[in-house]
Amino acid sequence: AQTVTQSQPEMSVQEAETVTLSCTYDTSESDYYLFWYKQPPSRQMILVIRQEAYKQQNATENRFSVNFQKAAKSFSLKISDSQLGDAAMYFCAYRGGSQGNLIFGKGTKLSVKP
Amino acid sequence: EADIYQTPRYLVIGTGKKITLECSQTMGHDKMYWYQQDPGMELHLIHYSYGVNSTEKGDLSSESTVSRIRTEHFPLTLESARPSHTSQYLCASSAGLRLYNEQFFGPGTRLTVL
Repeated sequence: AQTVTQSQPEMSVQEAETVTLSCTYDTSESDYYLFWYKQPPSRQMILVIRQEAYKQQNATENRFSVNFQKAAKSFSLKISDSQLGDAAMYFCAYRGGSQGNLIFGKGTKLSVKP
Repeated sequence: EADIYQTPRYLVIGTGKKITLECSQTMGHDKMYWYQQDPGMELHLIHYSYGVNSTEKGDLSSESTVSRIRTEHFPLTLESARPSHTSQYLCASSAGLRLYNEQFFGPGTRLTVL
């Protein structure tokens, strides 16, 4: 069975600085996608960024980028120029297999200090 | 924000009551999901549906039931609520079965059973 591990329950970053959230996963599948979702306090979960397993190039969305290391099964999220609005729970998720359901990590709570 | 709605947003109810949590989406998505999430914790899939008249149980065993009579509507029912059912319930949808497809999440229903 696939598993997703986020080893940092909480992280803190100074406004305008850069922070990296870690995620590792375990799978024997070759075709899968990886996602980072953001869940702000009392607000809807939204997609931050996604990565296709067969693409070597790391995905980038504005201030958000990933470091995808397929052999190491690592998928970290880098947030540059952190803003107060980035404060949220961040969930790493895996999607693969015949059913294609998302498997979530336990999440990392990110605080941004002004 | 995504066009997926959940009602009620908050519900406090006594033990033994029957409750239905509503979820609707206006995006015409085939696949819909219900997740259970305790505060600050990961999401656990409890039910999903591929389309009308299709329902499946997720990874986490749940005493709740679901139905999918219309594409846009995916209600979750608890016949007899218990304090152990206290949690947040998130509904989500996605367009089809492609692994690439993003899941859109509703705002959640926070359920408290006294």
